[in-house]
Amino acid sequence: AQKITQTQPGMFVQEKEAVTLDCTYDTSDQSYGLFWYKQPSSGEMIFLIYQGSYDEQNATEGRYSLNFQKARKSANLVISASQLGDSAMYFCAMREPSYNTDKLIFGTGTRLQVFP
Amino acid sequence: EPEVTQTPSHQVTQMGQEVILRCVPISNHLYFYWYRQILGQKVEFLVSFYNNEISEKSEIFDDQFSVERPDGSNFTLKIRSTKLEDSAMYFCASKAGGMNTEAFFGQGTRLTVV
Repeated sequence: AQKITQTQPGMFVQEKEAVTLDCTYDTSDQSYGLFWYKQPSSGEMIFLIYQGSYDEQNATEGRYSLNFQKARKSANLVISASQLGDSAMYFCAMREPSYNTDKLIFGTGTRLQVFP
Repeated sequence: EPEVTQTPSHQVTQMGQEVILRCVPISNHLYFYWYRQILGQKVEFLVSFYNNEISEKSEIFDDQFSVERPDGSNFTLKIRSTKLEDSAMYFCASKAGGMNTEAFFGQGTRLTVV
């Protein structure tokens, strides 16, 4: 079974609108971390936001927020007021420290296109 | 702002040749990683390194791969005898410590094996 599932291969959004990128995860661990990374066309991986499994508040970082629904095992990224520079691949990732590992497991990504 | 630096940005090599990909992690970080991303696919974990030894490796990281931290600042990935299927973007990442801290990635080295 996939640990991280991103069901939207591509999304379009108009500039200044909000967009939600979906991510669901699969773990039996009680303690885990969820991350979102942005990969522009230049290729680098840019950390956006982190949510811990025990965090009661949804994480926010500027225009990025994470809609964390633990019971549904979802960690959707919400980008508010989209900008043209937000066009990129977005990857959801998970870390499961209880299994004595701190590697990141990535989803397949969602390509976001922001149009004027 | 401190960043992870990788060199070269692009390397083309002939099949069977050895390559060394270089990384300078963020200076006070303690945990180091290599990931790879085959074109159009997801990012995959290769190896993690802590306290001068490998702490975990994936099934991709076979005997053709090795890592080294030769001088306390550089962190290298060596592929002894490259295969066509090693063509990918290779990312180095580093982390300060603690399970809940984010890993910072370098800009990647695109390796093309011909």
